[in-house]
Amino acid sequence: GAVVSQHPSWVICKSGTSVKIECRSLDFQATTMFWYRQFPKQSLMLMATSNEGSKATYEQGVEKDKFLINHASLTLSTLTVTSAHPEDSSFYICSARYLRGSSYNEQFFGPGTRLTVL
Amino acid sequence: AQKVTQAQTEISVVEKEDVTLDCVYETRDTTYYLFWYKQPPSGELVFLIRRNSFDEQNEISGRYSWNFQKSTSSFNFTITASQVVDSAVYFCALSGVIQGAQKLVFGQGTRLTINP
Repeated sequence: GAVVSQHPSWVICKSGTSVKIECRSLDFQATTMFWYRQFPKQSLMLMATSNEGSKATYEQGVEKDKFLINHASLTLSTLTVTSAHPEDSSFYICSARYLRGSSYNEQFFGPGTRLTVL
Repeated sequence: AQKVTQAQTEISVVEKEDVTLDCVYETRDTTYYLFWYKQPPSGELVFLIRRNSFDEQNEISGRYSWNFQKSTSSFNFTITASQVVDSAVYFCALSGVIQGAQKLVFGQGTRLTINP
């Protein structure tokens, strides 16, 4: 149980185009989804937190207009990188969480999407 | 602010050696969670352990063991009799308890290479 998928697993695009990455919780309803970015040989940095049906909360320094996040249903969140540039090339990882009665609600991670902008 | 420090950027050992990965954290919370994740070359994060700040008991799972010392704010990870398949990047992470603040803060990671 608690499987999270991402699509696509990798994508190559031209500079100036937009790319959409999907994150799906396959066997549970995710009230919250997180988007992380990981540059080569670096750590995961949280970009934004999205709750179903509401606007995403972005971390400081993350451009809202460039990284559009939509969490339209309890099983799907999308990250759209608009007008992508080579510096946006990175590994994007999502995680999903559902609320339970316990004190901690675990995040389940997707396999990641590798974006290369030429 | 919460912070996780993994001072060892890279470690290389020969197979069957024991290896310890260090993790030091900072938080003002009295209650928090600590984690270890493994990231193999494929990139997918593999959850290894979660530890509540109230539970300072060491844990052992097969060749893996964890030493949590609240007094020194450390949560170290030891692999006994390492194997080539243990080669990966290992991340230590910290999370708050309050639901709205359960963001994961990751350390910089330690790249572990096990040589045959």
